[in-house]
Amino acid sequence: GAGVSQSPSNKVTEKGKDVELRCDPISGHTALYWYRQSLGQGLEFLIYFQGNSAPDKSGLPSDRFSAERTGGSVSTLTIQRTQQEDSAVYLCASSLVMAGSNTIYFGEGSWLTVV
Amino acid sequence: SQQGEEDPQALSIQEGENATMNCSYKTSINNLQWYRQNSGRGLVHLILIRSNEREKHSGRLRVTLDTSKKSSSLLITASRAADTASYFCATDEGGATNKLIFGTGTLLAVQP
Repeated sequence: GAGVSQSPSNKVTEKGKDVELRCDPISGHTALYWYRQSLGQGLEFLIYFQGNSAPDKSGLPSDRFSAERTGGSVSTLTIQRTQQEDSAVYLCASSLVMAGSNTIYFGEGSWLTVV
Repeated sequence: SQQGEEDPQALSIQEGENATMNCSYKTSINNLQWYRQNSGRGLVHLILIRSNEREKHSGRLRVTLDTSKKSSSLLITASRAADTASYFCATDEGGATNKLIFGTGTLLAVQP
């Protein structure tokens, strides 16, 4: 597609339920990133994919969070046993990895509300 | 944890005035980028400045980088109401992950 596509755009879930957030990056972009943004805050790095592998998952806040990427394209971020503090916007981004110049392109985000 | 801190946290100006936002960071970088975010949705890339550059212009935007002070500034000249948004700096430390670490952001309000 023309841009990074994320779904769902909004999700309300009950505490304790699992959620899956999907990201479809720009075609041909090998790098894919997940960030989290709480209300009024900056962006918190979660995980980075290069192709299907995740060389940096240092930002995942707990073992309830996991992500995968298949076919070098679509990625899914899964949050198990959601907690209220998981409520945030989850932003996906993709880029062509170029030495010294990795501009990243963001999707519109998935608003997650845990009630 | 976030790499960058931005200053001020919020800025309110009148249309036509210039807006200056500052960003400080902690480690060596490959490049520094500025992004804009409207209404808490996706971010849009504005400008990238490499570590060996000191100043860069793009339209009404002017970015400076001082690697000795580990700081950058974004100047928006002749501001418009449509410039109202949050502005974030992001640093690229290079290395294997190519991840960008974002600052805390400056909320700019331009009054018509």
